[in-house]
Amino acid sequence: QAVVTQEPSLTVSPGGTVTLTCGSSTGAVTSRHYPYWFQQKPGQAPRTLIYDISTKHSWTPARFSGSLLGGKAALTLSGARPEDEAEYYCLLSYSGPRVFGGGTKLTVL
Amino acid sequence: EVQLVESGGGLVQPGGSLRLSCADSGFTFSTYWMDWVRQSPGKGLEWVANIKQDGSEENYVDSVKGRFTISRDNAKNTVYLQMNSLRVEDTAMYYCATGYKAYWGQGTLVTVSS
Repeated sequence: QAVVTQEPSLTVSPGGTVTLTCGSSTGAVTSRHYPYWFQQKPGQAPRTLIYDISTKHSWTPARFSGSLLGGKAALTLSGARPEDEAEYYCLLSYSGPRVFGGGTKLTVL
Repeated sequence: EVQLVESGGGLVQPGGSLRLSCADSGFTFSTYWMDWVRQSPGKGLEWVANIKQDGSEENYVDSVKGRFTISRDNAKNTVYLQMNSLRVEDTAMYYCATGYKAYWGQGTLVTVSS
């Protein structure tokens, strides 16, 4: 099965911008992978932020956006806030089976 | 709105079995693929299995193939995960989620230990 890669950790300053990426061992990530992005804080269930590359749920803060960038899926946070400190996971579909990335621990500092 | 509630977790010995359930109190259950996802203590998320809207297609992560079976009952708005031949490494919080838009339940804890 495919391997999905994410940055293990990133740091962003309050008010700053950061981009998290999600790559696939099978090649470029495309719309056919239907990329998802999730946020998880300690002790909580994951929360879906983005699906189908860039579509937001009603609860997704406007400062989060999704895209395809350089053959990868990307999650951009513009105007980071302390409450954005969390683990972020991407999920890719492979014509049925799905694979999570290993997660990115985002620190807002 | 979709509201998913998992149940059926607990403590089981290695080699034992459990059946997890995930009930949706909404009215759109039959329109979604459904997924099971797990998270071992201190680890990341792992996709486990999914099932098509009418149950005609199932997919599994390699580590559970031949041991776990996903099924669904659209009349009861419920998806199941039958887990056999459980191993210590299956210990995790198990979540169900819709295949589209990924609405999540709160999870049910499975502990495999002697």
